[in-house]
Amino acid sequence: KQEVTQIPAALSVPEGENLVLNCSFTDSAIYNLQWFRQDPGKGLTSLLLIQSSQREQTSGRLNASLDKSSGRSTLYIAASQPGDSATYLCAAVGVGNEKLTFGTGTRLTIIP
Amino acid sequence: DVKVTQSSRYLVKRTGEKVFLECVQDMDHENMFWYRQDPGLGLRLIYFSYDVKMKEKGDIPEGYSVSREKKERFSLILESASTNQTSMYLCASSLGGAGGVYEQYFGPGTRLTVT
Repeated sequence: KQEVTQIPAALSVPEGENLVLNCSFTDSAIYNLQWFRQDPGKGLTSLLLIQSSQREQTSGRLNASLDKSSGRSTLYIAASQPGDSATYLCAAVGVGNEKLTFGTGTRLTIIP
Repeated sequence: DVKVTQSSRYLVKRTGEKVFLECVQDMDHENMFWYRQDPGLGLRLIYFSYDVKMKEKGDIPEGYSVSREKKERFSLILESASTNQTSMYLCASSLGGAGGVYEQYFGPGTRLTVT
């Protein structure tokens, strides 16, 4: 059974710094991995989706990488801003099903 | 623009009531999903549907049922609400097809409180 872990559970960073959020998964047989953002009391917003055949995806200041062999993905945020404060979730889709297995998220706070 | 809507943002129900949560998507997606989100437990899949009138159990289906009579609408039903079903409920949709390569789009969520 796939397990997805995100450490740390919370992170505070001064504005302007670059930062990396981590995601690890136990079963490397995945179709894709998706990163989401969730603001307090709101739904999830999709940020990036990496197919299993890809190594990374970029969108603006965000860059997500995937290393299936080690069971790890990272989300890199460049030049952080207070508006980046949110909870970031990663989720993996396993081979043979279309179900996402979610991590419990990293709550990011950008300090002005 | 992608749009998934949920019928209520906040809902308060009494123990034993039958509760309907509605989700509508306007993207002609084949797949629709219901999750619940609880602190420390993350998001867990309750049910999903890959076509009209088709459904499959997720990881925690007990106490819930679903209905999908039209492609755009997926309903979650709590037959007899209990306090342990107090949670944030999130609906999502995606294109269908083998491989699960499609992005899931989420609604804003319904915070259900059962008293």
